[in-house]
Amino acid sequence: GAVVSQHPSWVICKSGTSVKIECRSLDFQATTMFWYRQFPKQSLMLMATSNEGSKATYEQGVEKDKFLINHASLTLSTLTVTSAHPEDSSFYICSAQRPGATDTQYFGPGTRLTVL
Amino acid sequence: AQSVTQPDIHITVSEGASLELRCNYSYGATPYLFWYVQSPGQGLQLLLKYFSGDTLVQGIKGFEAEFKRSQSSFNLRKPSVHWSDAAEYFCAVVPNFGNEKLTFGTGTRLTIIP
Repeated sequence: GAVVSQHPSWVICKSGTSVKIECRSLDFQATTMFWYRQFPKQSLMLMATSNEGSKATYEQGVEKDKFLINHASLTLSTLTVTSAHPEDSSFYICSAQRPGATDTQYFGPGTRLTVL
Repeated sequence: AQSVTQPDIHITVSEGASLELRCNYSYGATPYLFWYVQSPGQGLQLLLKYFSGDTLVQGIKGFEAEFKRSQSSFNLRKPSVHWSDAAEYFCAVVPNFGNEKLTFGTGTRLTIIP
């Protein structure tokens, strides 16, 4: 199967600090990765599409300066929440696509961010 | 507006009973359709998908879904649920080939009672 990991699985930080979340495709190379945000008891909302070696494409309403995405290699994408505030507290989920198999996304287990 | 609707927020069924989770979509053309399951501590897992062809799709874990164009629906079914099926289920669509973005429904939480 296609395994995607995320690290950390949960993180608590103080307001004003920055937090980095990693998303790795463990057994395949992912040219495209996606970042989602999920509020409690709600659906997943796409934040941005990340392509290896290029700038991420953000969805409307997502602050690119707040949520920095880097896709430096074919197996790693990172999401950095800068100057985090309590309203950024959420469940962040990444997914990855295999090259040539864009019909299916493989999801990571998610990262629970709590900003105090 | 294009959307995916899961009318049932929470469903409770007895173990061994049959299950049907509803999903309706509103798109101009038939989108690509997916069902995912989300369990605590685990990533979303793809249960099944429909692109074209046979409208009855078989998936993993004994699930199946039927695409009905006339009703713009893609309901998920299982003839006999197990306690391990308790989870959150999401219907999702990709509008068309080449557009990779998944749009998720609001999800249905499934509770299994003994």
